[in-house]
This record gives sequence, C-alpha cells and structure tokens, in this order.
Amino acid sequence: DGGITQSPKYLFRKEGQNVTLSCEQNLNHDAMYWYRQDPGQGLRLIYYSQIVNDFQKGDIAEGYSVSREKKESFPLTVTSAQKNPTAFYLCASSTRTSGVLYEQYFGPGTRLTVT
Amino acid sequence: AQSVTQLDSHVSVSEGTPVLLRCNYSSSYSPSLFWYVQHPNKGLQLLLKYTSAATLVKGINGFEAEFKKSETSFHLTKPSAHMSDAAEYFCVVTLGRGGSQGNLIFGKGTKLSVKP
Repeated sequence: DGGITQSPKYLFRKEGQNVTLSCEQNLNHDAMYWYRQDPGQGLRLIYYSQIVNDFQKGDIAEGYSVSREKKESFPLTVTSAQKNPTAFYLCASSTRTSGVLYEQYFGPGTRLTVT
Repeated sequence: AQSVTQLDSHVSVSEGTPVLLRCNYSSSYSPSLFWYVQHPNKGLQLLLKYTSAATLVKGINGFEAEFKKSETSFHLTKPSAHMSDAAEYFCVVTLGRGGSQGNLIFGKGTKLSVKP
C-alpha cells in the first residue's frame, strides 16, 4: 500500500528535551511538508522540502529543524527552543510536474505532549 | 495575498438533511482550491479539488463544491447528511501561481455535527 506513515502516534516528553518525529512516504513524491495543528487554528506550515537536500522555512519554523537526506523521509525535530510544543503534527507530501505541485496527501499525525 | 475564510466554525444538521459549508477566498492568481476532511485524531483526506477546469467539482462521499469567481466562493455541499460525515472540514487555497510553491493556506476549519 502506498502512503505516508508517521510514528509514533502519541509522544510524551519532558520540557527541555529535543524530540524527533518521523515521516516516511512511499508515493515517490518530490515534495514533503510539516504542519502543526492547534484547536481552532487550522494548519500552519513549519517547514517544506521540494527536493532532496533542500528545504525552506514555513510560517512558524522557530524552534524546529528538519533534514531531507532521502526522498522518502522528512524527519522533524522539535527543539527545546520551541516555546509551546504541545500540538498535533501532520506530515504531507505531493508530486510535482513541470514546476507545478499538486494536492497534498497527509499522514495520520503525531500528537506530541510536553510537560 | 492569498487567504481563505471559512464562515462558520461549527455547523449542525440532522441526518438526511442538506449540508452547506461556506468558504470564501482571496487570491492574486487563479487559485487552486481544495476541501479536506479530518476525523478526530486522524490525518486529512482530500474530498475534492478545483484547478480551473469545470466550476462544479464532484468529490468523494457525495460531496461537491462550486467555484464562483464573481463571489470568490467555494462552498461545499451534500444533498443528504450521513452520521459518518461528522468531522472537521478545511477549505484550502494554494499559494503561488499554479500552486508552484506547493504551499497551502488553510482555513480555520468547520466542525460538522450530524444529529440522528
């Protein structure tokens, strides 16, 4: 089955610890994205990558870092510098043809709780 | 600048009655528009998309949406609600001409409740 997997589904951390969220896709998509979802806020873009070894900051990148060493993987690290890390994190990917990126497909999400 | 406004944060309907979820957008370019659905603690699933072809777009599960440029609207409708339609719905517009940047601008979501 082709799709996007995120692990783990639930993650608990103590304040001050870095934590890495996994995102893997086997759709052969070029572009991948990380969003943060808070109640009543919709989704906000953290980082995105249109191609391997390249990524750009989204609207709320402060306190987060990413890497894109492989086409199928786009891990997100929530650092201790992120002031309010408790949220639902969604990874997405999309294909790309002639410079146009198409609709995004989403993973099931990881709910991070930091206490 | 692109933006999207979902006019209702919560809509409640009875099973078997029509559903209308309203969305207005603002875009400097001819936009691509999407509706996504999210069930609790799940990822988002694409319901339908408009990409400058037919203005009436049919999606999955009996949903459809009509792109109205004069009204800058892209409302989501379904003739008859089912209990399984209870979820949160997001209206989304692309950023950049032809979605070339791939960035999506999300509305804040509309929670749909369906009463038996």
